[in-house]
Amino acid sequence: ETGVTQSPTHLIKTRGQQVTLRCSSQSGHNTVSWYQQALGQGPQFIFQYYREEENGRGNFPPRFSGLQFPNYSSELNVNALELDDSALYLCASSYDTSYEQYFGPGTRLTVT
Amino acid sequence: QKEVEQDPGPLSVPEGAIVSLNCTYSNSAFQYFMWYRQYSRKGPELLMYTYSSGNKEDGRFTAQVDKSSKYISLFIRDSQPSDSATYLCAMGVRDDKIIFGKGTRLHILP
Repeated sequence: ETGVTQSPTHLIKTRGQQVTLRCSSQSGHNTVSWYQQALGQGPQFIFQYYREEENGRGNFPPRFSGLQFPNYSSELNVNALELDDSALYLCASSYDTSYEQYFGPGTRLTVT
Repeated sequence: QKEVEQDPGPLSVPEGAIVSLNCTYSNSAFQYFMWYRQYSRKGPELLMYTYSSGNKEDGRFTAQVDKSSKYISLFIRDSQPSDSATYLCAMGVRDDKIIFGKGTRLHILP
C-alpha cells in the first residue's frame, strides 16, 4: 500500500503568477482534501473532492480551484498569486469522506 | 473565541516523563476528535481518532475526550526524544470541514 505523495516539494513563484500543485492519494482512497498551513499555524481547510466532485469548501477565494481525476489523483490550482499565499500546502486522502485522513508531505510555496 | 484553542508551547519535558497535551473547543456539535503529530517540514501524521467521550489507548498514547467540558487531551507515556514534534488537535462534525488547533511544540530532553 502506497502513501500520499505530493509534487513538487518546493516552489517559488512571483506575485500574480499561477501555480498547480499535485497530489497522489493513498491506494483505495476516493476522497482528497487540500489544506493551507501558514508558519506556526494549524492546517486550514481549502476544499475537498469526493469521486471527482467538489464536496465542501473552506473560506478561500475562487482563485483557489481544484480537480480530482478518475485515478483519484488531484490538483490544486491557485491563480493571481499573492504574497500571503506563501505556505505549506497539504493534501490528505481518505475513504468515503472519513475523517481518518492521511496527509502527504506537503508542497512549500513561496511567493515573492 | 476561536473554535479550537491549543497552547502553542513550547513544552519541554525530560525523557521518560508523561506528557499531557490539551485542546479546548467551543462548538458543542463536534463529534470527531483527532490528534496528529507533525515533524518539522513534514506533513501531519494521524495518531489517534476518536468519536465518543472517554479514553482510547494505542501503545504509549492515550486520547481522552470530555464533551461536557469541551476538552480533549493526549497523553504520552514513557516519552522519547523521537516524540519531539508539533502535536495538532483536530475536530469536526460529519459532512463538515475539520478544524485544527495551532499545534503544541513538544521537546523531549534526553
